[in-house]
Amino acid sequence: GDSVTQMEGPVTLSEEAFLTINCTYTATGYPSLFWYVQYPGEGLQLLLKATKADDKGSNKGFEATYRKETTSFHLEKGSVQVSDSAVYFCALSNFNKFYFGSGTKLNVKP
Amino acid sequence: NAGVTQTPKFQVLKTGQSMTLQCAQDMNHEYMSWYRQDPGMGLRLIHYSVGAGITDQGEVPNGYNVSRSTTEDFPLRLLSAAPSQTSVYFCASSRPTGLYTEAFFGQGTRLTVV
Repeated sequence: GDSVTQMEGPVTLSEEAFLTINCTYTATGYPSLFWYVQYPGEGLQLLLKATKADDKGSNKGFEATYRKETTSFHLEKGSVQVSDSAVYFCALSNFNKFYFGSGTKLNVKP
Repeated sequence: NAGVTQTPKFQVLKTGQSMTLQCAQDMNHEYMSWYRQDPGMGLRLIHYSVGAGITDQGEVPNGYNVSRSTTEDFPLRLLSAAPSQTSVYFCASSRPTGLYTEAFFGQGTRLTVV
């Protein structure tokens, strides 16, 4: 069945460091891919999305490229801020069902 | 814009008690779903609905019931709460928009069963 695997955390970085959170997926057909972010005590918010191969989703300095050949959708940011501290979920949508990775907690220290 | 509204935000139950977690959306989305979030396990699908009168089981349905009498509401019922149901519960709604389906989430309900 469809599934998402993402790197385990927590990830601890200093402010202005480069961020990569790895995500790979298994799916039939042509899924859409997403990154959601969850701040403490809140629900999930859509961070970015990509709907087809080679699409690049971007938002708030975060980027991820839909790589069908490697079934990956890695999240990157060139310079993280303390305010980026949160839990990040990689997800796919296929036939109106969502599948989530286990989440990666990011801690950014000043 | 209300979006997806969940109530209550926090709840403590004794083992064996029953309760209903409420979920309402005002976006006229056909698709609604319930997830539970446990540490290190991401979000797991409990039940989902593709429209009023239609529901189906997700990955972890045991111990939960749902119904969908209207497009707006999708309550989740715990008939006899167990400590294993201690978790954070999220309701989501979505609608296909051409190329993709985006899910909108409620704020969550933190449930503790003692």
